[in-house]
Amino acid sequence: AQSVSQHNHHVILSEAASLELGCNYSYGGTVNLFWYVQYPGQHLQLLLKYFSGDPLVKGIKGFEAEFIKSKFSFNLRKPSVQWSDTAEYFCAVRVFSGGYNKLIFGAGTRLAVHP
Amino acid sequence: DVKVTQSSRYLVKRTGEKVFLECVQDMDHENMFWYRQDPGLGLRLIYFSYDVKMKEKGDIPEGYSVSREKKERFSLILESASTNQTSMYLCASTTGRVYEQYFGPGTRLTVT
Repeated sequence: AQSVSQHNHHVILSEAASLELGCNYSYGGTVNLFWYVQYPGQHLQLLLKYFSGDPLVKGIKGFEAEFIKSKFSFNLRKPSVQWSDTAEYFCAVRVFSGGYNKLIFGAGTRLAVHP
Repeated sequence: DVKVTQSSRYLVKRTGEKVFLECVQDMDHENMFWYRQDPGLGLRLIYFSYDVKMKEKGDIPEGYSVSREKKERFSLILESASTNQTSMYLCASTTGRVYEQYFGPGTRLTVT
């Protein structure tokens, strides 16, 4: 079955700490992977995406993610977090099912960054 | 600016009531989606629509129905609300690319 697993539900960091949020997927088709972010009180928005080519993709606000096919993983990273990165982060995989494209989301990781 | 609006930010209903959640987008998008968001479960797709009067079941359609009479409007209907439908409901729309979904602000529904 298609699924996305995010290992950490809550992460607490201090400013300037490094961040890595885990994401593993289960899908047998062509893999397209995404990270979305939801800042407090704001709409969910796309952070970065992977389709093919370079497995290291860069998104907005200094975030990057690495696709490792052998590990079925797409972890999100940021070298130095800021207080403004406090948000909930969702990993997602595009699946083709029943003739349509859909997104399957992970459970989300709440990140709290303390000054 | 791109906009997806939902009729209510907060809604409280009683068990057994029929509930309508409305979503309107002003981007002329063909595709619209309804999700529910629950802690520890993330977003789960309830229904989606790729055209007017067209609907497809998502992963958790039980207890819900939808209506899309006009391109810009996609309604989610809870035929007989139950307490386990207490949740945050998110609407989204896109044209073509499923990942470029624009999300609405959400409706937090409480069923008592």
